[in-house]
Amino acid sequence: DIQMTQSPSSLSASIGDRVTITCRASQGISHYLAWYQQKPGKVPKLLIYAASTLQSGVPSRFSGSGSGTDFTLTISSLQPEDVATYYCQKYNSAPLTFGGGTKVQIK
Amino acid sequence: EVQLVESGGGLVQPGRSLRLSCAASGFTFDDYAMHWVRQAPGKGLEWVSGISWNSGSTVYADSVKGRFTISRDNAKNSLYLQMNSLRTEDTALYYCAKGGSITIFGVLKDWGQGTLVTVSS
Repeated sequence: DIQMTQSPSSLSASIGDRVTITCRASQGISHYLAWYQQKPGKVPKLLIYAASTLQSGVPSRFSGSGSGTDFTLTISSLQPEDVATYYCQKYNSAPLTFGGGTKVQIK
Repeated sequence: EVQLVESGGGLVQPGRSLRLSCAASGFTFDDYAMHWVRQAPGKGLEWVSGISWNSGSTVYADSVKGRFTISRDNAKNSLYLQMNSLRTEDTALYYCAKGGSITIFGVLKDWGQGTLVTVSS
């Protein structure tokens, strides 16, 4: 099975900072990569699919890039409401594995 | 508005069974694959199982294969997860999620609030 590895597992940044989270697949998955945001105590929410397509209603400060095995989620200017855990997920084949998550906090 | 309402969770002893249900509304149920995802207390998300629009294809995580069975009833707009031979490590909040299309291999666009399963003696 393909493993999904996220880094870092947690980070602390200041308001307005540019934040980058990476996700690496153990084998190539083309562009079949999604990012989800889970705020504390809330249900996960789809942010990005097909590696770089923003889900409707998601602020434009979020962006995704990558293909094959290496992917990135970027928050261009961190806002207080972005405090959450972010997960990547592959969906090209079963199992639809999630990464371990990256917890984003405000410094 | 898409609504997914899970039910059937509770406290169960190891080795016993439990059946989860998910009632869907606000969309054409049989136009979409459906999934179960779980989250153990304080842990990350774990995809559990998925089913295609017409039940023609089902897939499972290795951790539940042979013990859990996913099914759906399109006439009742409902998704199910039959969980047998439960283990303590199955303790989690179980989410029902709507796929992005008829195929299992798609994103999880909408999620329910979850139902808590606790496996303990």
